[in-house]
Amino acid sequence: QQPVQSPQAVILREGEDAVINCSSSKALYSVHWYRQKHGEAPVFLMILLKGGEQKGHDKISASFNEKKQQSSLYLTASQLSYSGTYFCGTEAGAQKLVFGQGTRLTINP
Amino acid sequence: NAGVTQTPKFQVLKTGQSMTLQCAQDMNHEYMSWYRQDPGMGLRLIHYSVGAGITDQGEVPNGYNVSRSTTEDFPLRLLSAAPSQTSVYFCASSYSRGRGEQYFGPGTRLTVT
Repeated sequence: QQPVQSPQAVILREGEDAVINCSSSKALYSVHWYRQKHGEAPVFLMILLKGGEQKGHDKISASFNEKKQQSSLYLTASQLSYSGTYFCGTEAGAQKLVFGQGTRLTINP
Repeated sequence: NAGVTQTPKFQVLKTGQSMTLQCAQDMNHEYMSWYRQDPGMGLRLIHYSVGAGITDQGEVPNGYNVSRSTTEDFPLRLLSAAPSQTSVYFCASSYSRGRGEQYFGPGTRLTVT
């Protein structure tokens, strides 16, 4: 069963912050985050493993609350290059990775 | 390393035709999977494999077959193409069983008329 992402779309001005949420109805072992530019393949951002960790690099970070089966992706001081569609992927112990429907992020100058 | 390669890049089929989408990786990854991407639907898992000789169904397996005879290759077969199979298909591989970074191929854009 696909995880649910929210919001479906976000429009920001450069420098603003954004939060993208991902929730699942199943207990999760890991959550993945990917970004896809138009016409290209998804590109890996980060993985969060069971244990409630938080990760980040540069101005993009994420948290994973395994009790709530939720993850959030935080984009701080957004740049034009952050535009694209963001996908969360969840692995619920069946060794398969299932993705959400995506969140389209548009950054305007 | 070439990473994950997919052929063809584009394909047009008539309803009822069959074809095979090729996927290969040169990273010695055990885990490989196929996804289809449709507008507003995200990436949906078709089939996946945790190693040579082992395959399993994903969320939307109907109309597709897979086999994994080698670590490197994971072809996806469309048995009798239908317009509902018009989509962009991505192959992905990972060193870890679903818990490692997924490396995606460039995709195959398939149109069934």
